[in-house]
Amino acid sequence: QKEVEQDPGPLSVPEGAIVSLNCTYSNSAFQYFMWYRQYSRKGPELLMYTYSSGNKEDGRFTAQVDKSSKYISLFIRDSQPSDSATYLCAMSETGGFKTIFGAGTRLFVKA
Amino acid sequence: GAVVSQHPSWVICKSGTSVKIECRSLDFQATTMFWYRQFPKQSLMLMATSNEGSKATYEQGVEKDKFLINHASLTLSTLTVTSAHPEDSSFYICSARGGDNEQFFGPGTRLTVL
Repeated sequence: QKEVEQDPGPLSVPEGAIVSLNCTYSNSAFQYFMWYRQYSRKGPELLMYTYSSGNKEDGRFTAQVDKSSKYISLFIRDSQPSDSATYLCAMSETGGFKTIFGAGTRLFVKA
Repeated sequence: GAVVSQHPSWVICKSGTSVKIECRSLDFQATTMFWYRQFPKQSLMLMATSNEGSKATYEQGVEKDKFLINHASLTLSTLTVTSAHPEDSSFYICSARGGDNEQFFGPGTRLTVL
């Protein structure tokens, strides 16, 4: 079993839809949770960064962490064609040496 | 967010030559830097982790004599692909982490070995 599981998709939605992206993990020691967006042939861009459980909102993006279920989510409201990219979840332990990445979910938002 | 630069953004070289890629954290001190490799439509593959002033830790299967990593300062790490061959052609991405565990990526370097 991988430490972090993420459905690779692709996920295709119409413009304006609410997108839900998810990851599950097995390591209960993870405390830092991140979501990255990666456009083709570009480096990943940090979208959201949360510590421990709870919600965090930034514009159209909301990140949720449920440590009891070992489940994290990223919601994108009013999705736009420019949101079409690969979204990677990532997590690490306090003082951890490595960040563990999900496989990435490819999202397509159709105009 | 913090800025990480990478240079060059793309490079084409002949088989057998060496290529150096630079990674810089522009507005923060990176306690740890990471080097990844990414093939088309695949996820990131961690190659090695380096801390300033110490030897890099390579992932299993990554040849340390082929992929030389130098983390000379808290803002600069370099990856040298020695005696590059066509199978080394890939997208190489560095990332840097500061004291609060946030990890920021560079824009990547596309290497093509002819």
